[in-house]
Amino acid sequence: LAKTTQPISMDSYEGQEVNITCSHNNIATNDYITWYQQFPSQGPRFIIQGYKTKVTNEVASLFIPADRKSSTLSLPRVSLSDTAVYYCLVGASRSGGYQKVTFGIGTKLQVIP
Amino acid sequence: NAGVTQTPKFRVLKTGQSMTLLCAQDMNHEYMYWYRQDPGMGLRLIHYSVGEGTTAKGEVPDGYNVSRLKKQNFLLGLESAAPSQTSVYFCASRTGLAPEGYTGELFFGEGSRLTVL
Repeated sequence: LAKTTQPISMDSYEGQEVNITCSHNNIATNDYITWYQQFPSQGPRFIIQGYKTKVTNEVASLFIPADRKSSTLSLPRVSLSDTAVYYCLVGASRSGGYQKVTFGIGTKLQVIP
Repeated sequence: NAGVTQTPKFRVLKTGQSMTLLCAQDMNHEYMYWYRQDPGMGLRLIHYSVGEGTTAKGEVPDGYNVSRLKKQNFLLGLESAAPSQTSVYFCASRTGLAPEGYTGELFFGEGSRLTVL
């Protein structure tokens, strides 16, 4: 399982664009990159997933450079309701047959009025 | 659309008591997971199952047992609860139809808050 490193916390003002970068230096050729969002007292929710270049949906954009050793989740014009913990996941454990899915500590985003 | 349902949502136990958390999903997913979440620790995988009748250990399996007798249900048991097992427990499921490296989308329940006194 590719190890990921992301900032523990970030603060942003309402209306700003927020970029959260995740490092995954030992990403494998077949690994996808996935981001989840977790609000307080709720289970995590899938936001976006990608393999290379750029992926965009109604919630966020995911930028993946050519070497794929990092990725950036971009949240446009955040609001107070975007305050949450954001998790970056890469691939799945080979020892678990690609079925074992583990999370890290995530990045706690605090949006300030 | 129920998705993933966890019961109970809250429970208080005394040290040494036993209990079972039930996770039920109605999406016909092959894979199911139990995680625990503690302040500042993120989500840690306890056990998981890749199909009916199968289970496997995660990162923190000690003190827990699981069973997957039916495809739609994944049970997490605590035989002798300890204060260290005070936590919020999350169940998740996903389809097994995914290529290597593709974790797919996990669907989570709302969580079960367990307190062991």
